[in-house]
Amino acid sequence: DQQVKQNSPSLSVQEGRISILNCDYTNSMFDYFLWYKKYPAEGPTFLISISSIKDKNEDGRFTVFLNKSAKHLSLHIVPSQPGDSAVYFCAARDSNYQLIWGAGTKLIIKP
Amino acid sequence: DTGVSQNPRHKITKRGQNVTFRCDPISEHNRLYWYRQTLGQGPEFLTYFQNEAQLEKSRLLSDRFSAERPKGSFSTLEIQRTEQGDSAMYLCASSSGPVSYEQYFGPGTRLTVT
Repeated sequence: DQQVKQNSPSLSVQEGRISILNCDYTNSMFDYFLWYKKYPAEGPTFLISISSIKDKNEDGRFTVFLNKSAKHLSLHIVPSQPGDSAVYFCAARDSNYQLIWGAGTKLIIKP
Repeated sequence: DTGVSQNPRHKITKRGQNVTFRCDPISEHNRLYWYRQTLGQGPEFLTYFQNEAQLEKSRLLSDRFSAERPKGSFSTLEIQRTEQGDSAMYLCASSSGPVSYEQYFGPGTRLTVT
């Protein structure tokens, strides 16, 4: 029973274009949603978050959108850079303050 | 840089042996988490501590697993009588405050059980 799903295992985007990573969830009680970025041989690194009471949060090139009615969030990266190539995880915080994670999407930025 | 550190980074062991991993969190963080990650999956929660108290354990944490954080600083995760299914990356993370949602991760310990 996956409460957080990232249905695209990988995504390839041209450098300079927009990267859009998607995440779906089932539990309407999640109160925070987070995106983490992971390079090989390193632990995940926090990227950006959004509260369930918001619908958008922006930080530089990164914007997260939340659609509560659809139980869907997305991470937009614009413009995409080669250093953005990594695995991106979507995570949601439940009522016990635990993070429930998606399986990740591998983003490849092509030069 | 005083980020989260984990030792060892890699561990190869034979089935049936015991292994112990160590995590040193960011010094001012009172919460410490252990996760397990297998290939192609996101991290799965195992357990967490607030200071020295172990507040929650996942169903994934069988009786062969035990975690401690004796002085509210570093933590150890021990797996007894390892099985091949225990092969995974074991990640440690820490956070500050009672309701912080941002967790800082260490590089992980990769366990291979042969």
